Amino acid sequence: ETGVTQSPTHLIKTRGQQVTLRCSSQSGHNTVSWYQQALGQGPQFIFQYYREEENGRGNFPPRFSGLQFPNYSSELNVNALELDDSALYLCASSWTPQADEGYTFGSGTRLTVV
Amino acid sequence: KNEVEQSPQNLTAQEGEFITINCSYSVGISALHWLQQHPGGGIVSLFMLSSGKKKHGRLIATINIQEKHSSLHITASHPRDSAVYICAVRDYGGSQGNLIFGKGTKLSVKP
Repeated sequence: ETGVTQSPTHLIKTRGQQVTLRCSSQSGHNTVSWYQQALGQGPQFIFQYYREEENGRGNFPPRFSGLQFPNYSSELNVNALELDDSALYLCASSWTPQADEGYTFGSGTRLTVV
Repeated sequence: KNEVEQSPQNLTAQEGEFITINCSYSVGISALHWLQQHPGGGIVSLFMLSSGKKKHGRLIATINIQEKHSSLHITASHPRDSAVYICAVRDYGGSQGNLIFGKGTKLSVKP
């Protein structure tokens, strides 16, 4: 079975631009959670998607939005990029929102905003 | 105060040493995860615990729900164990998928 794939691996954007990050979930997983990890910090929960609907959200502004597709892959969109958005963005898929069998994480997308 | 605290922040060990990383949390939890993050950023899930103890190879994880404390032990450490180890908890009342992470413990094992 394939794991979680994120693309792109690295990205440089200018302040004010918009960015789309992609995540393919592990085969059979219907839930994708997104996290932001600033340098030297632990990851922080952005939101979760379950069966194409947002299923929970952390303390992030509305310019962070997402989508989940029928094949359960997901996108994270960030509008009006700010310098503080520079971080590693991680996605994790699971069999259920409760993730009773655990999570499978991707390798992350490193976003730099200049 | 962070809801999940890890200690130590940094740890240097000699190959073969027994290593312990600690995690304390202040919220009610439904599960605790130990994760390993390599320099490239990718995260590997090591354990998920809700009670007791789990073992996988040279890794052992324990949790004491009453004391809100968990430990990750590595026996016979090896340079390939060098990584950041992160403790994360799923808050009992929190949004699903809302793992609360510690800041991680950076482990370096010298040959």
